[in-house]
Amino acid sequence: DAKTTQPTSMDCAEGRAANLPCNHSTISGNEYVYWYRQIHSQGPQYIIHGLKNNETNEMASLIITEDRKSSTLILPHATLRDTAVYYCIVRPPLDTGRRALTFGSGTRLQVQP
Amino acid sequence: GAVVSQHPSRVICKSGTSVKIECRSLDFQATTMFWYRQFPKQSLMLMATSNEGSKATYEQGVEKDKFLINHASLTLSTLTVTSAHPEDSSFYICSAPRGGGGTEAFFGQGTRLTVV
Repeated sequence: DAKTTQPTSMDCAEGRAANLPCNHSTISGNEYVYWYRQIHSQGPQYIIHGLKNNETNEMASLIITEDRKSSTLILPHATLRDTAVYYCIVRPPLDTGRRALTFGSGTRLQVQP
Repeated sequence: GAVVSQHPSRVICKSGTSVKIECRSLDFQATTMFWYRQFPKQSLMLMATSNEGSKATYEQGVEKDKFLINHASLTLSTLTVTSAHPEDSSFYICSAPRGGGGTEAFFGQGTRLTVV
């Protein structure tokens, strides 16, 4: 799986958009970008994933650069409940059933009231 | 959506005793489940892969005789921490891939094990 680099921590004001960057300059053509988050003392939660097009769901938006070497997870209106560690993971999709996800250090997002 | 349920959420046990943690996929079948361990302020580390109908595979450094894994059915995997010691105190998390063409993985709520 391609290596990812994320900032260690970020702060965001409640109600504002939270933009979490991820660098994955060695991403391969068949690798997707996945985002998960882990709220304190809970298991990780799937957020979103994408290949090259921007994606949006009820939780977040994922913006992938044209060269696919970096991406940004956007939480449009952050709430206190979005305080968590956010993990960016790059891997081939069809491998999910055979290999576990590998977690890096992630970004600790603190949403401030 | 798919849900993975883990039980218990929290357990305290005495040194030398064994603890069993259950992981169930509630609305889908999982031939493979994964067990992770997470120490304070650290990321999740894969311990082992649980395979329905066959032996689990363990990551390097994880003692298979200490962390017994049983994948008895397509919806249940169990992790038993045998002869627990204080250094086994950790947050244990199971995961199951959605399968069926879906590519995301689902995680249990985690089990906080404290060995005293």
